[in-house]
Amino acid sequence: GEDVEQSLFLSVREGDSSVINCTYTDSSSTYLYWYKQEPGAGLQLLTYIFSNMDMKQDQRLTVLLNKKDKHLSLRIADTQTGDSAIYFCAESPNTGFQKLVFGTGTRLLVSP
Amino acid sequence: DADVTQTPRNRITKTGKRIMLECSQTKGHDRMYWYRQDPGLGLRLIYYSFDVKDINKGEISDGYSVSRQAQAKFSLSLESAIPNQTALYFCATSAQTGGYNEQFFGPGTRLTVL
Repeated sequence: GEDVEQSLFLSVREGDSSVINCTYTDSSSTYLYWYKQEPGAGLQLLTYIFSNMDMKQDQRLTVLLNKKDKHLSLRIADTQTGDSAIYFCAESPNTGFQKLVFGTGTRLLVSP
Repeated sequence: DADVTQTPRNRITKTGKRIMLECSQTKGHDRMYWYRQDPGLGLRLIYYSFDVKDINKGEISDGYSVSRQAQAKFSLSLESAIPNQTALYFCATSAQTGGYNEQFFGPGTRLTVL
């Protein structure tokens, strides 16, 4: 079945690194995604990783993918108060219809 | 101007009322989706549409219906609203691509059913 799991909350201090973890179940997913939802807004794609990659770096963001354990993580370096948001991971099972299966979301709170 | 818009942004209604949530997009995408967001449950897919004549049920379609009036418009209806349909509703769009599926979300409609 499809079940994408995340921890619900993460609290860090400004300037620290944040690591948000996700476990997924469908090994057929070609792409895995991280979306960010700021207060009062819809989700916006933050970054993604292709399934044949182990790591992807994009400025302050690092995505790590462990396909064996079906584990995805998002590391935010030098976390800022503006990074406070809900972060969703999503898998895209290769079922013919490219739907996204979202995790429960992790609320990141960055304190000064 | 926003690429994906939703109206209304907030709605309070009573049990048994019929409600329509509307979504419009200017991205020219063929695919459109309706999700609901509940705390601790993430986003769940209600309905999706690949084009005007292709509408499909998602994982939680009971109690909902949709209409794809045009490529740019996709409406969600609650025929007889009930309190457990209180949630944040999102419309999203995507282009038809091979494998990569970036979805673009509207700002959401907060619906409260009393």
